Amino acid sequence: EAQVTQNPRYLITVTGKKLTVTCSQNMNHEYMSWYRQDPGLGLRQIYYSMNVEVTDKGDVPEGYKVSRKEKRNFPLILESPSPNQTSLYFCASSLSGRSNQPQHFGDGTRLSIL
Amino acid sequence: QKEVEQNSGPLSVPEGAIASLNCTYSDRVSQSFFWYRQYSGKSPELIMSIYSNGDKEDGRFTAQLNKASQYVSLLIRDSQPSDSATYLCAVNVRSGYSTLTFGKGTMLLVSP
Repeated sequence: EAQVTQNPRYLITVTGKKLTVTCSQNMNHEYMSWYRQDPGLGLRQIYYSMNVEVTDKGDVPEGYKVSRKEKRNFPLILESPSPNQTSLYFCASSLSGRSNQPQHFGDGTRLSIL
Repeated sequence: QKEVEQNSGPLSVPEGAIASLNCTYSDRVSQSFFWYRQYSGKSPELIMSIYSNGDKEDGRFTAQLNKASQYVSLLIRDSQPSDSATYLCAVNVRSGYSTLTFGKGTMLLVSP
């Protein structure tokens, strides 16, 4: 089954404790992206990757890191999480970085930073 | 700041009615437009994509695009209670690239 898989689905942690949210897709997609969704603010892009070893900042990149060493994986790293990073996070992928390609979303990761 | 605007709603319609959801965008060079449906606590699910002016129909859904007026709309015919969800409009604001900007969504409530 074609899908975007995120782990963990839920995480409660404390300020300053490094964490990684994994994202993997099995569709051989070139483009991958991370979003956060907050009430009243909608979906905002954190980082995106057009292909392996090519990443770029989205609208809200502060406090996050990403890497794209393999085509299928695009982990989101919070080196020193803070409470304002409490949010619902989505990973998405599309066949290519061309504008006509729709993005397919993972099931989401609900992250709480205490 | 490139923006995508949607009425937050809720938009309430009775079962069987037509629901009309609207979206405006600020960047004239935008080329691709998508509608996603999101149930509470779930991930966005692609419903429709539209790239050229006019109407595009898929089952009970019709997307309409008017680039001159910079708006895109989604019509849902014969609305069902299962259509109750938040509908997100997404627009690519970087010409030629897949990066999307999302509106904040319109909540649709379909009453039996």
